[in-house]
Amino acid sequence: GAVVSQHPSWVICKSGTSVKIECRSLDFQATTMFWYRQFPKQSLMLMATSNEGSKATYEQGVEKDKFLINHASLTLSTLTVTSAHPEDSSFYICSARDRWGSRDEQYFGPGTRLTVT
Amino acid sequence: KQEVTQIPAALSVPEGENLVLNCSFTDSAIYNLQWFRQDPGKGLTSLLLIQSSQREQTSGRLNASLDKSSGRSTLYIAASQPGDSATYLCAVGSYQLTFGKGTKLSVIP
Repeated sequence: GAVVSQHPSWVICKSGTSVKIECRSLDFQATTMFWYRQFPKQSLMLMATSNEGSKATYEQGVEKDKFLINHASLTLSTLTVTSAHPEDSSFYICSARDRWGSRDEQYFGPGTRLTVT
Repeated sequence: KQEVTQIPAALSVPEGENLVLNCSFTDSAIYNLQWFRQDPGKGLTSLLLIQSSQREQTSGRLNASLDKSSGRSTLYIAASQPGDSATYLCAVGSYQLTFGKGTKLSVIP
């Protein structure tokens, strides 16, 4: 199957700093990617839908100015957590939609563990 | 708003036992239902996808069923193995998925 990578796999940062997380589709082009967040013992929650070449669509309750999403190419979406606080500590997972011909699949990345101290 | 519930939250079984994991959803107008596996600190592995027009899907020792009218899905695991130990997540939707909290399965050797 297709591969989606995330970088970094884990990151520790100080409160007030910004952190960028990358999501890459390695062997397919993804016009749409999705960002999820998972708190301990909780379900994954969709944060936003990232569309190549246009603005991301954010779910209700997600601050777009805090979680900046850029989908500048067909294989890369980035999530920047600005002015991170300890409550932003979470597991962030992206997924990418692979649409080609009759194929329409979604693949998940391995996740990024963010710890804000 | 779609809500997905998974019962039980945790399950411990001896190796070799057959087991059933349950998933319920509030809005029956779903597109797809998927079952995923998540190992500790890891991403998601897709196990089975049931399209809204389908009733079940099978892959190896796994069988998933879907009953849209009752808003339920079950994941049946036959002859469980210690390697099956993980958290199993149910999700509904097309690509913007709504997930349940998962069932943490422990298979005891």
